[in-house]
Amino acid sequence: KQEVTQIPAALSVPEGENLVLNCSFTDSAIYNLQWFRQDPGKGLTSLLLIQSSQREQTSGRLNASLDKSSGRSTLYIAASQPGDSATYLCAVLFSGGYQKVTFGIGTKLQVIP
Amino acid sequence: DGGITQSPKYLFRKEGQNVTLSCEQNLNHDAMYWYRQDPGQGLRLIYYSQIVNDFQKGDIAEGYSVSREKKESFPLTVTSAQKNPTAFYLCASSIAKEGSLHFGNGTRLTVT
Repeated sequence: KQEVTQIPAALSVPEGENLVLNCSFTDSAIYNLQWFRQDPGKGLTSLLLIQSSQREQTSGRLNASLDKSSGRSTLYIAASQPGDSATYLCAVLFSGGYQKVTFGIGTKLQVIP
Repeated sequence: DGGITQSPKYLFRKEGQNVTLSCEQNLNHDAMYWYRQDPGQGLRLIYYSQIVNDFQKGDIAEGYSVSREKKESFPLTVTSAQKNPTAFYLCASSIAKEGSLHFGNGTRLTVT
């Protein structure tokens, strides 16, 4: 079964700290991996999309890496700010079988001023 | 600005009634999706459509129906056959199946 796991489920850090969010997936045959941010009661906002052939993507203070062989991706947030507080979700498009996007449950991040 | 519009934001219905959730996109995307989000669970795919007049069931299609008569629109009907319809419903689109997913702001449906 193709699964996506995000650990930890929740994280609380002081403002200014650099942090890493983890995403693991069970099958290395993927098309791409996408990181999203979700604020309470809102839809998902796309942060970064990493294609299968890429190792990392960067946008501002965010950097996402992809290691297909180990089934892992990390989202690095530099110099965290209170406005970064949200739930971060990882989504993987697996290339085998059904070819559908599978989501993790997310990591709820709180950045304390 | 291009984007996905879901309406209404909140919807309340009595048990036994069908209800239709609206999803419109002006991104010129071919593919559209409906997901359901429940607390403590990842998003689950209800239906998806890769082209006009064609759609496929996702993982939890029972009790739901969709149509795709226009490229811009992908309405979802929650029927009385859906046993636990109260949830947060999210519509998404992508330029192609392998493309980046773009989401609307969701509709929270409460059935009592």
